[in-house]
Amino acid sequence: IAGITQAPTSQILAAGRRMTLRCTQDMRHNAMYWYRQDLGLGLRLIHYSNTAGTTGKGEVPDGYSVSRANTDDFPLTLASAVPSQTSVYFCASSDSKGFNNEQFFGPGTRLTVL
Amino acid sequence: LAKTTQPISMDSYEGQEVNITCSHNNIATNDYITWYQQFPSQGPRFIIQGYKTKVTNEVASLFIPADRKSSTLSLPRVSLSDTAVYYCLVGVFTGGFKTIFGAGTRLFVKA
Repeated sequence: IAGITQAPTSQILAAGRRMTLRCTQDMRHNAMYWYRQDLGLGLRLIHYSNTAGTTGKGEVPDGYSVSRANTDDFPLTLASAVPSQTSVYFCASSDSKGFNNEQFFGPGTRLTVL
Repeated sequence: LAKTTQPISMDSYEGQEVNITCSHNNIATNDYITWYQQFPSQGPRFIIQGYKTKVTNEVASLFIPADRKSSTLSLPRVSLSDTAVYYCLVGVFTGGFKTIFGAGTRLFVKA
């Protein structure tokens, strides 16, 4: 693989169910991010991780959790999904060694919570 | 983190230069300014980043005045394929970048 992959591509989920969105990168980037994008709107940062073992909250962290056990993987978990979490979710990564904010984005996961 | 304000949409014609201005009145000393491009059903793609004055790459130029309260993305001679949403971000480097995306500017290039 090259770049960032996300899985699943899309998912329909019943409210109250638990869901984990997967994100894997092979660029050895230290920093990773999760964003959500609602229809017609910009991206909002959910959580981020500057390096393996650390995570931080973004603009809209409530209802989501993340972990960063290693450099490559950054899963996003919805413990109990609600309809307002219907959105497109993008994972991204960047090389934190320099002051370069070039984030590389995955193809996105389209999540519908009913 | 500083919030950004951009025009909601802009129209242009092929071959014209397009300038998109972003306001970020509350930008902090440590914030960088970054622009991204997004096509439908895709993730955003990095265009350019700057801190002050002017930055140019093979795709665009970024003009930042001395007070840094605004920035202008300049796209030379746009083509139909430049139709996309353009986002201005300000962000602070914390080992990664913690950034805020605004609503973006929807650029429509006509033939």
